[in-house]
Amino acid sequence: GAGVSQSPSNKVTEKGKDVELRCDPISGHTALYWYRQRLGQGLEFLIYFQGNSAPDKSGLPSDRFSAERTGESVSTLTIQRTQQEDSAVYLCASRPHTGNYEQYFGPGTRLTVT
Amino acid sequence: TQLLEQSPQFLSIQEGENLTVYCNSSSVFSSLQWYRQEPGEGPVLLVTVVTGGEVKKLKRLTFQFGDARKDSSLHITAAQPGDTGLYLCAGGSGYALNFGKGTSLLVTP
Repeated sequence: GAGVSQSPSNKVTEKGKDVELRCDPISGHTALYWYRQRLGQGLEFLIYFQGNSAPDKSGLPSDRFSAERTGESVSTLTIQRTQQEDSAVYLCASRPHTGNYEQYFGPGTRLTVT
Repeated sequence: TQLLEQSPQFLSIQEGENLTVYCNSSSVFSSLQWYRQEPGEGPVLLVTVVTGGEVKKLKRLTFQFGDARKDSSLHITAAQPGDTGLYLCAGGSGYALNFGKGTSLLVTP
């Protein structure tokens, strides 16, 4: 079956513009995560969705960041008024309801803010 | 706060050599996972360990979970250029995964 897909794969934007990143999880996976990975760094947790429960937004770095997910489908991560420090790879992962919390990652969106 | 420390940060070896990378924490985790990430791609799960002292083998890769479930190691035997990549460990606590910064491995022919 298809894996997690993300779009766009690359995004270059000017400082101050808004960007929207998209994630299509594996069908049937109830949980969805967004992470940020800066160059040479590990994965920084941003937000977690589980079904129709309230999302865990504790990792969002500022109020310029927001994310939405309708049910168990597509999710979008929006960054408003982008700053240069937002430049990073944004990774999405989905997870089935059962198992040992293994996450399945998409290829990421590389965001460059100029 | 970086809960998981990975070492070494960088490792460059020749094909055929053996190596071990480490993942250490002061926290206890319910599970620990190892991922490999290649440039331009997302991390891919290699293994999950859940029991203290557990050892899992995946071809030339051997994973061990510490008795206290706070640390783990990954040993690669006879490394190959295809093993090149960023190796990330992640400790599980509930639904969350806490990732280390990774060990960047380069295997040259």
